[in-house]
Amino acid sequence: AQSVAQPEDQVNVAEGNPLTVKCTYSVSGNPYLFWYVQYPNRGLQFLLKYITGDNLVKGSYGFEAEFNKSQTSFHLKKPSALVSDSALYFCAGAYSGAGSYQLTFGKGTKLSVIP
Amino acid sequence: NAGVTQTPKFRVLKTGQSMTLLCAQDMNHEYMYWYRQDPGMGLRLIHYSVGEGTTAKGEVPDGYNVSRLKKQNFLLGLESAAPSQTSVYFCASRAQMMNYGYTFGSGTRLTVV
Repeated sequence: AQSVAQPEDQVNVAEGNPLTVKCTYSVSGNPYLFWYVQYPNRGLQFLLKYITGDNLVKGSYGFEAEFNKSQTSFHLKKPSALVSDSALYFCAGAYSGAGSYQLTFGKGTKLSVIP
Repeated sequence: NAGVTQTPKFRVLKTGQSMTLLCAQDMNHEYMYWYRQDPGMGLRLIHYSVGEGTTAKGEVPDGYNVSRLKKQNFLLGLESAAPSQTSVYFCASRAQMMNYGYTFGSGTRLTVV
């Protein structure tokens, strides 16, 4: 079985401060990990992914994430938060289930950036 | 623009009515997925397909059926809608290589009254 956990339902951060949205995973074999962002009444927007290679992954809008195999974590980070970063963030992981690589999502973390 | 298109975008159904949600992709992707999104639950997999003519159950398949008669289309059917199926439905597709990731549609907001 695989699972992805986002331990925080909500994260509040002041504008200009660094932000971290946490994600831990339990995936069979080598994991493929993703971060998506969703703005109100919108679809999912891809931020970044870890497939293989460097543990530090850089993505869209200045976001980055570090794959930590020993801690089974894939936390999303940004050095300086913007009010426009306020949204719902989803971590997701994929594993090879009958070759389909089904994507399993965390429950989401609501990020609020306070001006 | 290449991508995943979902129709309709919004729908209100009465309990017991049936409907079909259409997902179409023009990227020649092999794999297609249907998810539902509910508050505090994240996205949960309903059904998926690994190629034309194939379908398989995901985490929450009850009350739904799917078909993939053509490679580019993945249909999600509700035979007898229930209020518990009120949700936002997302379709996704991906190519054979994981490097390219998944492409999501913009969603269908379904309300069952």
